[in-house]
Amino acid sequence: KAGVTQTPRYLIKTRGQQVTLSCSPISGHRSVSWYQQTPGQGLQFLFEYFSETQRNKGNFPGRFSGRQFSNSRSEMNVSTLELGDSALYLCASSGGGAADTQYFGPGTRLTVL
Amino acid sequence: AQTVTQSQPEMSVQEAETVTLSCTYDTSESDYYLFWYKQPPSRQMILVIRQEAYKQQNATENRFSVNFQKAAKSFSLKISDSQLGDAAMYFCAYRSAWSNYQLIWGAGTKLIIKP
Repeated sequence: KAGVTQTPRYLIKTRGQQVTLSCSPISGHRSVSWYQQTPGQGLQFLFEYFSETQRNKGNFPGRFSGRQFSNSRSEMNVSTLELGDSALYLCASSGGGAADTQYFGPGTRLTVL
Repeated sequence: AQTVTQSQPEMSVQEAETVTLSCTYDTSESDYYLFWYKQPPSRQMILVIRQEAYKQQNATENRFSVNFQKAAKSFSLKISDSQLGDAAMYFCAYRSAWSNYQLIWGAGTKLIIKP
């Protein structure tokens, strides 16, 4: 099976712009979770989608949003970018059950100038 | 709220030797899962090993094994016969079996392998 894929791998944006990141899960997986990784804050949970519904949400401002499509692919959007949004954004997929392991994609490195 | 603590920011080990990475966690739940993930310079987060809290037997995966002490809320990772390819950041993570399925992460330990 193909692994989790994320596009693009690198992005450079300026403050105030918006950005959309994409994640394609492992075939058959219905859950997609997003995490932000920064040197200062470490790994933080953004949100999780399961069968096109947001099931869980972390403590991030409303500028961060996401959605999931019927084929389980997920997108994450950040509006009105701030310098502090520069980070590695990781997507993970799983079957969606409590016992299911999350498998990660290679990440998208976002730089906000 | 659950927390995960990795008290060793950096560890080094000679190639072919054994190293143990520490992780402690805090939770009031009785049913949960614990994970060790590895993140090499390529940034891809790779699952190393997982442990179910209801299992008393420690998980093993080839050269990787854990020492799970539920009462002490401790979950250490032992890497035997260290190889150059083991050099990476290692993250300990917790996930509830019942509520929010998010992973709660430790700060990570950078493992350096000396040839």
